[in-house]
Amino acid sequence: EAGVAQSPRYKIIEKRQSVAFWCNPISGHATLYWYQQILGQGPKLLIQFQNNGVVDDSQLPKDRFSAERLKGVDSTLKIQPAKLEDSAVYLCASSFQGEIAGGYTFGSGTRLTVV
Amino acid sequence: DAKTTQPNSMESNEEEPVHLPCNHSTISGTDYIHWYRQLPSQGPEYVIHGLTSNVNNRMASLAIAEDRKSSTLILHRATLRDAAVYYCILRLSSGSARQLTFGSGTQLTVLP
Repeated sequence: EAGVAQSPRYKIIEKRQSVAFWCNPISGHATLYWYQQILGQGPKLLIQFQNNGVVDDSQLPKDRFSAERLKGVDSTLKIQPAKLEDSAVYLCASSFQGEIAGGYTFGSGTRLTVV
Repeated sequence: DAKTTQPNSMESNEEEPVHLPCNHSTISGTDYIHWYRQLPSQGPEYVIHGLTSNVNNRMASLAIAEDRKSSTLILHRATLRDAAVYYCILRLSSGSARQLTFGSGTQLTVLP
């Protein structure tokens, strides 16, 4: 089974620029998550989708971050404008209907550096 | 949310068993205990989960205390490839979100 695909793998931008990350979850996984992982910390949930609807975006900084999941498959996460503190790895994960068994499958992430 | 407490770091010798502890004294009756690990430059990887009984799979074993206030992840023979950050997570079993909330985890170093 193919894993969760993310692109790009690395991105370097200047502060105040915009950036977008793309995620393709495992086929058939209805639930998709975006996490932010700052160096030395555990991942922090930004947003959760169930199909193409948002389940939880309470920790998403909505003044600069946005995410969408059109057609309930691929998803994009955008930052506009970026700040220095947004430097982190952005991880996408998916699961089958948010089930307990089998857990989440994570992608390898996009490492963002804001300079 | 119920929280977990793990040591920041542990060391183990290659080919020896490793016992990674986790305390979760405020666990509720229906919270599942999940373990994930994160290898360098990769996303977290599911290891194992359980509710009340001990669990075994091809990667590890999970021993859960009778009062469920602590658990231990057991790697039976550590290899260099097991060097990673190990996260113990309580997953809410009710509600539409049922999210994984990560702490700081335990950095496991495996010595050759």
